[in-house]
Amino acid sequence: GAVVSQHPSRVICKSGTSVKIECRSLDFQATTMFWYRQFPKQSLMLMATSNEGSKATYEQGVEKDKFLINHASLTLSTLTVTSAHPEDSSFYICSARGGSGNGYNEQFFGPGTRLTVL
Amino acid sequence: GENVEQHPSTLSVQEGDSAVIKCTYSDSASNYFPWYKQELGKRPQLIIDIRSNVGEKKDQRIAVTLNKTAKHFSLHITETQPEDSAVYFCAASTSGANNLFFGTGTRLTVIP
Repeated sequence: GAVVSQHPSRVICKSGTSVKIECRSLDFQATTMFWYRQFPKQSLMLMATSNEGSKATYEQGVEKDKFLINHASLTLSTLTVTSAHPEDSSFYICSARGGSGNGYNEQFFGPGTRLTVL
Repeated sequence: GENVEQHPSTLSVQEGDSAVIKCTYSDSASNYFPWYKQELGKRPQLIIDIRSNVGEKKDQRIAVTLNKTAKHFSLHITETQPEDSAVYFCAASTSGANNLFFGTGTRLTVIP
């Protein structure tokens, strides 16, 4: 159980275009999903917390107009990188909070999306 | 907010030896401490976690210890194997918060 998928796994785009990344919880309902960014050989940097049916909460320094997050259902959250530039190239990983109901924040990660902006 | 520090950043051990990775946290309200293993280009995978009501947890060759007084927790891998080579992240969280706070990671290399 607790499988999270992410699509696409890899995307290459031209500078100025927008890219949408999907994150799905396949076998459980995730009221909360998280989006992380990871640079090579570095830790996971939380970008935003996405709650189903409400606006995402962005971490300090993350531009909400550039990284649009939508969490329209209990199994799907999307991250859209708008007007992408080469500096946005990174590994983007989503996670979903498990519904254990015991108050502990177990998170299950998607396989990640490697974005390359030319 | 919570601040998690992790040491060492890199660790090399001979196959069969033990590996220990240590983390400290700052928020005394943190009560959940997972450890993730991430292989190159892949997703972080939860390998073990510990909650604040216990001081130690073991799962085969992996164990985690927690010292709430000192606010530190450690990952212990015994009888290491080459397939244990990966980056390991510790994290901390409180039950009232949504997110995990990650350490900076430890790159473990097991030398055959």
